[in-house]
Amino acid sequence: GQQVMQIPQYQHVQEGEDFTTYCNSSTTLSNIQWYKQRPGGHPVFLIQLVKSGEVKKQKRLTFQFGEAKKNSSLHITATQTTDVGTYFCAKTSGGSYIPTFGRGTSLIVHP
Amino acid sequence: ETGVTQTPRHLVMGMTNKKSLKCEQHLGHNAMYWYKQSAKKPLELMFVYNFKEQTENNSVPSRFSPECPNSSHLFLHLHTLQPEDSALYLCASSQDNSPLHFGNGTRLTVT
Repeated sequence: GQQVMQIPQYQHVQEGEDFTTYCNSSTTLSNIQWYKQRPGGHPVFLIQLVKSGEVKKQKRLTFQFGEAKKNSSLHITATQTTDVGTYFCAKTSGGSYIPTFGRGTSLIVHP
Repeated sequence: ETGVTQTPRHLVMGMTNKKSLKCEQHLGHNAMYWYKQSAKKPLELMFVYNFKEQTENNSVPSRFSPECPNSSHLFLHLHTLQPEDSALYLCASSQDNSPLHFGNGTRLTVT
């Protein structure tokens, strides 16, 4: 299936700064999933967004699904060193339940 | 703690060797997946099994041969690999269209 485009590829921030990663698709999505992979680890599911315009929060993380269901974002407020890792979005569309992953955004937090 | 267990964690093999990667899921899921993760590339779907039936083969070379004897176990048999096959091989499972649960992965190095 067609990939989702994820930007930026890398992001360096100072601890305490905010961070946002964006996920864009040219086609309408059934849902969007977000995963986090710590260095040396494996992807771990964070959240799934299904509804148009949906916003979900997990502590300092805010996830949004666009009104047209073609884009999504993950925003982290006041980053901490524990936020370091690569954040992947993954889409399902066209009736397939199999996620297709973006390239990920690697977050580096400087203390 | 992941409910998906992969062995071995690390594997070094020569191009003429034959080896197998093993994955076991303890979550009662009906679908199992093999993904390949290389540096600077997105997670690449290789194979999907649903209720032991292969439902997806993403144009993977025949030197990779999957086997799914039951819905809890998944193998990836390797033979005559190339150095470019060196990567992290991730197994995952899911129930219907729920998000993926990944194992810790096998770090494969082909010499």
